Amino acid sequence: NAGVTQTPKFQVLKTGQSMTLQCAQDMNHNSMYWYRQDPGMGLRLIYYSASEGTTDKGEVPNGYNVSRLNKREFSLRLESAAPSQTSVYFCASSVMGNTEAFFGQGTRLTVV
Amino acid sequence: QQQVKQSPQSLIVQKGGISIINCAYENTAFDYFPWYQQFPGKGPALLIAIRPDVSEKKEGRFTISFNKSAKQFSLHIMDSQPGDSATYFCAASKRSGGYQKVTFGTGTKLQVIP
Repeated sequence: NAGVTQTPKFQVLKTGQSMTLQCAQDMNHNSMYWYRQDPGMGLRLIYYSASEGTTDKGEVPNGYNVSRLNKREFSLRLESAAPSQTSVYFCASSVMGNTEAFFGQGTRLTVV
Repeated sequence: QQQVKQSPQSLIVQKGGISIINCAYENTAFDYFPWYQQFPGKGPALLIAIRPDVSEKKEGRFTISFNKSAKQFSLHIMDSQPGDSATYFCAASKRSGGYQKVTFGTGTKLQVIP
């Protein structure tokens, strides 16, 4: 019962470095999401993929790119990390059009 | 623009007491109102949810009260326990194409003390 698996769990980057956050789900869900969580800001949607082959911008997409590699995997890429991207990142998935999202355990990213 | 406003930011309740968290929304197109519970180091998990055609939903010690005319909803935790200590997020969602767009509140950190 893995659910939604995110890697890595922790990462420290220097300003300007790039990295990819990986996410995989084993629940056969169509829709996948990337959120960032910051103190006092709640969860904000970065990008989502309503179904395999489609991706769309969420509330805060600037500085990020995504790839829906297949039905199971949805990655988030930071091309040139900035301190403002220090955050906890959560991947989530759901049945397409369904209301309940299942979250991974998060990636704590620090950009120095 | 914050579409879902949540209060309080933090809450301390004695064991056995009632915890109350309030949320207000602006967009009348929202059609589903979930509450998520998050423990430290974990991702949020769905706790309970309500649709706007009912005024109350109860699951065990957790109750959602919903006031459609006031565009407000609240979570009540009866007989609060130390194990309920977590961060709670209210949310509101609406269908956008084939996708259910979810807007989260800013979260309430609940601490239940023995």
